[in-house]
Amino acid sequence: AQSVTQLDSHVSVSEGTPVLLRCNYSSSYSPSLFWYVQHPNKGLQLLLKYTSAATLVKGINGFEAEFKKSETSFHLTKPSAHMSDAAEYFCVVETSGTYKYIFGTGTRLKVLA
Amino acid sequence: DGGITQSPKYLFRKEGQNVTLSCEQNLNHDAMYWYRQDPGQGLRLIYYSQIVNDFQKGDIAEGYSVSREKKESFPLTVTSAQKNPTAFYLCATNRGRKPDEKLFFGSGTQLSVL
Repeated sequence: AQSVTQLDSHVSVSEGTPVLLRCNYSSSYSPSLFWYVQHPNKGLQLLLKYTSAATLVKGINGFEAEFKKSETSFHLTKPSAHMSDAAEYFCVVETSGTYKYIFGTGTRLKVLA
Repeated sequence: DGGITQSPKYLFRKEGQNVTLSCEQNLNHDAMYWYRQDPGQGLRLIYYSQIVNDFQKGDIAEGYSVSREKKESFPLTVTSAQKNPTAFYLCATNRGRKPDEKLFFGSGTQLSVL
């Protein structure tokens, strides 16, 4: 069965410092992986997705993620946090072409001034 | 105006009552999904449907039922068997042509128990 683990429920960073949100997945097959963001009282928005074309994926707002098969990880990073990045982030996996999208429990990012 | 419409925005359920949440889309998407969002638990998949007249259970289907009689509509019924129904319910869609397609989300329905 496919599953996804977000290793940190809360992450706090200072504005201008790097962001790292961790995600590990389990899958017997080559997965499709996604990161979504949910700002307070707003809908979910796709940040980026991995589809096997390239292991380093660039997304919107300066975010990127690297697919590491040997570590079954898909961590989300950003070189410099901005106040507007404060939100909840979800890692999502789909495997085996089932069209069943499984969400992690989320990481709430806090950005300190 | 294309999109996904969920109604109502807020819904209250009495003990022993079944309630139905509406999800309508005009994106011409084949696949539709229902998720439940609880604080600290992320989004959990209730049911999904890849085509009209067919649907599959997700990870937490007990106490819920769905139908998919039209491509545009995927209503979710929360039955009295669901003992803890208070949550935020999100409907999502995608074309369902490739697994790497992004999900489009409605604005959600907040269900509370009276």
